[in-house]
Formats: sequence, C-alpha cells, structure tokens
Amino acid sequence: EAQVTQNPRYLITVTGKKLTVTCSQNMNHEYMSWYRQDPGLGLRQIYYSMNVEVTDKGDVPEGYKVSRKEKRNFPLILESPSPNQTSLYFCATAGVTGYTFGSGTRLTVV
Amino acid sequence: GEDVEQSLFLSVREGDSSVINCTYTDSSSTYLYWYKQEPGAGLQLLTYIFSNMDMKQDQRLTVLLNKKDKHLSLRIADTQTGDSAIYFCAELDSSASKIIFGSGTRLSIRP
Repeated sequence: EAQVTQNPRYLITVTGKKLTVTCSQNMNHEYMSWYRQDPGLGLRQIYYSMNVEVTDKGDVPEGYKVSRKEKRNFPLILESPSPNQTSLYFCATAGVTGYTFGSGTRLTVV
Repeated sequence: GEDVEQSLFLSVREGDSSVINCTYTDSSSTYLYWYKQEPGAGLQLLTYIFSNMDMKQDQRLTVLLNKKDKHLSLRIADTQTGDSAIYFCAELDSSASKIIFGSGTRLSIRP
C-alpha cells in the first residue's frame, strides 16, 4: 500500500530541546515536502525536496532544518524548538496526480 | 503572491447538496485539488481537476472550474453525516514546487 509514514504522531517537548520528526514514503517519489497546519492559516510549506540532496525553503522555513540523504526519507529537524512551533505537521510526497500526506504529527512546545 | 481563498464555514441539512467555493489567484496553475480532513485525521485527496477541464464528476462529487473567474467549486450531492469535515481547496503553484492551500471550509451537517 502506498503510504507516507510520520513519527511520532504526538510529541510534547520543552523549549530548546532538539527534536526530529521522521517521514518515510514507499512510492519511490522524488518530491517530498513538509507543511505545518495552524488554525485559520491553512497549511503552509516549510521545506521541500525535489530529489536526493536537493532541498529548498518553503514559505515558513525559519527554525527548521531538513535533510534528504536518501529518496524515501525526509526528516524535519527542530534544533531549538520554541512555543510558536506548536502546530500540526504534515509530510507529503507528490506524484503525477497529486500529493499524498502522512497522518500528521501534533507537536506541542512548552 | 499566489493565494487561495475559501469561506470558513458551511452548514447544510442532511440529504441536501453542499457547495463549497474557492477562488485562486495563479492563472497558470495546472492542477487544482480538493482535500478532506476529518477531526484528528490527516489530509485525504478527494479529487483533482486539470486546468483545461471545466467539470469533473466522481460519484457524489462534482468539481466545477471557471478559469476566467479563477473560481473552483466542490458540490457534494446527498450530503451525509460522514461528510462532516474541513475541506481544503488547493492549487499547484506555477513552479510545481508546492501546493497552496486555502484556509479550509468546515462543513457541518444538521439533521
């Protein structure tokens, strides 16, 4: 089954403690992306990757890092999380006809 | 810049048709999408339409595209309680590097 797997689903952390949210896809797609969803703002793109070792900033990249060492994985790294990064995060991959999203990671930074 | 706008709320009676409207600004978009998000769940692609189409029908769903007015709509026939969700309109941006989402329309069904 084609899917995008994110982990963890829920995470509560403290300000400044580095964390990584993993994302893996089994569709052999070159494109992957991270979005955050906030009430009233819809989804906004954080970073995207067109291929292995190629990453670019989206609309709201500040405070985030990504890496794309292999095609299937695209982790999102928060080096020093802050409360304004409390949000619902979605990883996505894209094929010809559309994007497939993971189930989401709800992050709370206290 | 590119923008997608949609109303925040829609309430319909069970069994009626729901029509969710959306406007977008990027006239060069090639794909337009409708996603559904149920409470606590991820995003489910409902349907998409190519920019060279005017209409697409898929069972209870009908998508209408007016390119001149940059207006997209989603009609759900015979709305059921299971259709309660947030519906996102989205467009593929001209660089094909991202999809741009509207803020979502929360559809509620009343008996």
